[in-house]
Amino acid sequence: GAVVSQHPSRVICKSGTSVKIECRSLDFQATTMFWYRQFPKQSLMLMATSNEGSKATYEQGVEKDKFLINHASLTLSTLTVTSAHPEDSSFYICSAPQVSTEAFFGQGTRLTVV
Amino acid sequence: GENVEQHPSTLSVQEGDSAVIKCTYSDSASNYFPWYKQELGKRPQLIIDIRSNVGEKKDQRIAVTLNKTAKHFSLHITETQPEDSAVYFCAATSRGVTGGGNKLTFGTGTQLKVEL
Repeated sequence: GAVVSQHPSRVICKSGTSVKIECRSLDFQATTMFWYRQFPKQSLMLMATSNEGSKATYEQGVEKDKFLINHASLTLSTLTVTSAHPEDSSFYICSAPQVSTEAFFGQGTRLTVV
Repeated sequence: GENVEQHPSTLSVQEGDSAVIKCTYSDSASNYFPWYKQELGKRPQLIIDIRSNVGEKKDQRIAVTLNKTAKHFSLHITETQPEDSAVYFCAATSRGVTGGGNKLTFGTGTQLKVEL
């Protein structure tokens, strides 16, 4: 099946720094990718929709200036957490949906801000 | 937007028993309902899905039922095994719709524990 690769799988950063997470579709083109955030023992919450060639669409309550999304090509979307704080510590996961088959998820990134 | 509710939040069963997890959704435009199994620290894995033109689907020990009128769908796991222990999420989306189609709305999750 199709593969979505997400890196890094784990990252620890200092408060106030920025962290970039990459999401790649390895064997198919993804004009749209979704970014989710999952806090411990909670569900996956959609943060934003990444659109190749246009601006990302953010869900209500998600700060677009803090979570920068760039969909540079048909196979790559990046999420940058700017000026990270401990409350941003979470599991971030991307997804590349398919029209006729299942959505494929990246491996997820465990972000810890200290 | 879509709202998906899931019950129960935790479920403990004896090995060999059946487990049932139920979800409801709010958006009548939703037409695709996947179920995911997620182990700690891992990505969700699709275990079964159902489209709105089907009422039931089965894959070995796993089955899903859908009641479009009531906006309910349920996951049934029979002959549970310890390796079935994980968190299960239901989800809903309106597949094939432009401008946000395929955007999954997840339920709150069910921690299933299968005890020996």
